[in-house]
Amino acid sequence: DIQMTQSPPSLSASVGDKITITCRAGQTISRYLNWYQQKPGKAPDLLIFGASSLQSGVPSRFSGSGSGTDFTLTISGLHPEDFATYYCQQSHSPPWTFGQGTKVDMK
Amino acid sequence: QVHLVQSGAEVRKPGASVKVSCKVSGFTLSDLSMNWVRQAPGKGLEWMGGFDPEDSKTIYAQKFQGRVTMTEDTSTDTAYMELRSLRSEDTAVYYCTTLWFGELTRFDPWGQGTLVTVSS
Repeated sequence: DIQMTQSPPSLSASVGDKITITCRAGQTISRYLNWYQQKPGKAPDLLIFGASSLQSGVPSRFSGSGSGTDFTLTISGLHPEDFATYYCQQSHSPPWTFGQGTKVDMK
Repeated sequence: QVHLVQSGAEVRKPGASVKVSCKVSGFTLSDLSMNWVRQAPGKGLEWMGGFDPEDSKTIYAQKFQGRVTMTEDTSTDTAYMELRSLRSEDTAVYYCTTLWFGELTRFDPWGQGTLVTVSS
């Protein structure tokens, strides 16, 4: 199984801040990496797929980069609705595995 | 556009079984690859299994092998996930989600989730 490790587990930020979340795969996965946003009590929503492709309807302040084993999710200018938990997921091969999540809360 | 609506919350005793449904609209279920992911309270996302279009069969995470069965009723466009021999650690929200497979493999969209509580 491909292990996915996110960091940090949590971070505190303010509206307008630029934040970066990292995700490391236990083996090379090319660009087969997705990011999801989950708000409390809600199902996850796809944000970014293929490491850097923005899902339709997702604001351009979200961006993804990386390939191989190291990936990042960047939010350039936090909005109030962005406080949530973010998960990476490898889409290289089953069993599909997720990172443990990064909770972004208000400072 | 695919829309997934799941069945309501369930409470079961240890050792029992539960069957969660996921109704598809906007697409035909036979054209989709339905998968299931669960989330224990306060924990992360855990893939349980689903249809693998590359091998054209349903595959299960090793952790759930022998205890879970995922089926489909194409006449009603409804997918099902049955988990047997429930234990307290199976208390979680269970999500159905569509796997889009290819160069940009991804899960989208997700059902609203079904809370399964296992308690004596």
